[in-house]
Amino acid sequence: GQQVMQIPQYQHVQEGEDFTTYCNSSTTLSNIQWYKQRPGGHPVFLIQLVKSGEVKKQKRLTFQFGEAKKNSSLHITATQTTDVGTYFCAGRLYDMRFGAGTRLTVKP
Amino acid sequence: GAVVSQHPSWVICKSGTSVKIECRSLDFQATTMFWYRQFPKQSLMLMATSNEGSKATYEQGVEKDKFLINHASLTLSTLTVTSAHPEDSSFYICSAQTGTNSPLHFGNGTRLTVT
Repeated sequence: GQQVMQIPQYQHVQEGEDFTTYCNSSTTLSNIQWYKQRPGGHPVFLIQLVKSGEVKKQKRLTFQFGEAKKNSSLHITATQTTDVGTYFCAGRLYDMRFGAGTRLTVKP
Repeated sequence: GAVVSQHPSWVICKSGTSVKIECRSLDFQATTMFWYRQFPKQSLMLMATSNEGSKATYEQGVEKDKFLINHASLTLSTLTVTSAHPEDSSFYICSAQTGTNSPLHFGNGTRLTVT
C-alpha cells in the first residue's frame, strides 16, 4: 500500500546549526504537506507542495518536492529554540498518509 | 483561519464504559473529517475517515464496532470509544479540511485514560 517514510526519527542540534528532514514515498504523490507539532500540541499546517521540483521558502524554512514527486525535504537554516517540535510530512495519493515524523530538539 | 474544536481535551474513564469525543469545525464546513490515534512520541495513525451523511471508512485493523464514528452534520463528527479498556488509552486527534487537497486543520486532541 501507499507508504510515506520519513527520516531521521530524531535530530538533536545546537542552536544555530542547520536541520533537514526527508520524506520518501513508494509511489508518485499528487502533493505533499508539511506539519509541525509542538510538544503537547496538535499538528499545525506549514505548507503544501504540488509541482514537480517545487521549492518554497518560509523565512528560515525551505521545502522541496522532488522531480519525480516521490520525495520531499524540509530544511531549517540556523535553528532556534522555537523550532523545537516534531515535523511531519503527509503525502497524498488517494488519501493523506503521514510520515513517522522527525523530532527536533535544539540545545541553546 | 479555519478552526477545529475538539472536546473534551482530556478524559478519565473506567474500564467498560464508553467515551464520546466531539470534533467541530467552527468557521467552515467539513465534508470530510479524519480521526487519528497518536501514541507518545510517535506518528499519527489514521483510524478512519468520516464523511458527512455516510458511513465512516475505517483503516485496516481498526474495529468499527469499538470506535463508532458519526458525522451528522457538515461541522460535527463524533468518535465514541465503546467498552473502553486500558489499552485504548491514547491521544486521539481529529482533523478536517475544506476541500480534498486543502490543508488539514487539527483539533487540540483528547487525552483518554482508561483505568
